[in-house]
Amino acid sequence: KQEVTQIPAALSVPEGENLVLNCSFTDSAIYNLQWFRQDPGKGLTSLLLIQSSQREQTSGRLNASLDKSSGRSTLYIAASQPGDSATYLCAVIEGGKLIFGQGTELSVKP
Amino acid sequence: KAGVTQTPRYLIKTRGQQVTLSCSPISGHRSVSWYQQTPGQGLQFLFEYFSETQRNKGNFPGRFSGRQFSNSRSEMNVSTLELGDSALYLCASSPWGPRDTNTGELFFGEGSRLTVL
Repeated sequence: KQEVTQIPAALSVPEGENLVLNCSFTDSAIYNLQWFRQDPGKGLTSLLLIQSSQREQTSGRLNASLDKSSGRSTLYIAASQPGDSATYLCAVIEGGKLIFGQGTELSVKP
Repeated sequence: KAGVTQTPRYLIKTRGQQVTLSCSPISGHRSVSWYQQTPGQGLQFLFEYFSETQRNKGNFPGRFSGRQFSNSRSEMNVSTLELGDSALYLCASSPWGPRDTNTGELFFGEGSRLTVL
C-alpha cells in the first residue's frame, strides 16, 4: 500500500532563504508526482507535475525533483518570500487517485 | 479559461440530514474526482467519474455517493450526516482520457466547507 510522507511537518524561515521540502513514498512504481500549495481555508493550487519519466521540473523560483529509485521528491524554493507562506502538499498518482502526504506548513518571516 | 467551480462554499447541517455538493470542471475536462480533507485524516480520495461513470472509488461508506452529468458537471451527496463528516470537500478535474487515469495534471476547486452540528 502506497504511503506518502512529508518532512518536516512545519518550517519557519526568514525571508530570502533558499529551502527544501521533502516528500517520500513507499512504492517506487509511481506514474506521476504532483506538488500543491494550500492557503488557509482554500483549495489546492497545482505547482508542478513531474512525470515518471522526468527527473525534475521548474517553474519560476520553484524546482521539483523526482528520484523514483529512492522513493523521494524534493521541492526547492529559491529566495523565499512572505507570500510563500502556505502548506505544501505532495501527492503521487496511482490507480486513478492522488495519495497525499500530510503536508509541510511553511512560514516565511519578513 | 475558468477553473474548477464548487458550490456552495460553506454550509451548515445537522446530524441526520443530507447534503449535495456541486462541481463544474474546467471546460474540456471529462474526469472529475472528489476528496475529503480533515485535520486528522488529511486528504482522502472519495471517487472519480469519467463520462458519467464512476471509475474509481475510495474507502468510504455507502452514505457517500456521487454522479456525473453529460456536461461533465458532478455532484456528490452525503446522506444521514454524522459529526465526523465535517470537512472540506474538494473537487478536482483533469484531462484524463478514457483509458488514462495516471497522467496529466489535476486542478482543484476552492472546496465546500461542510459543518455538521
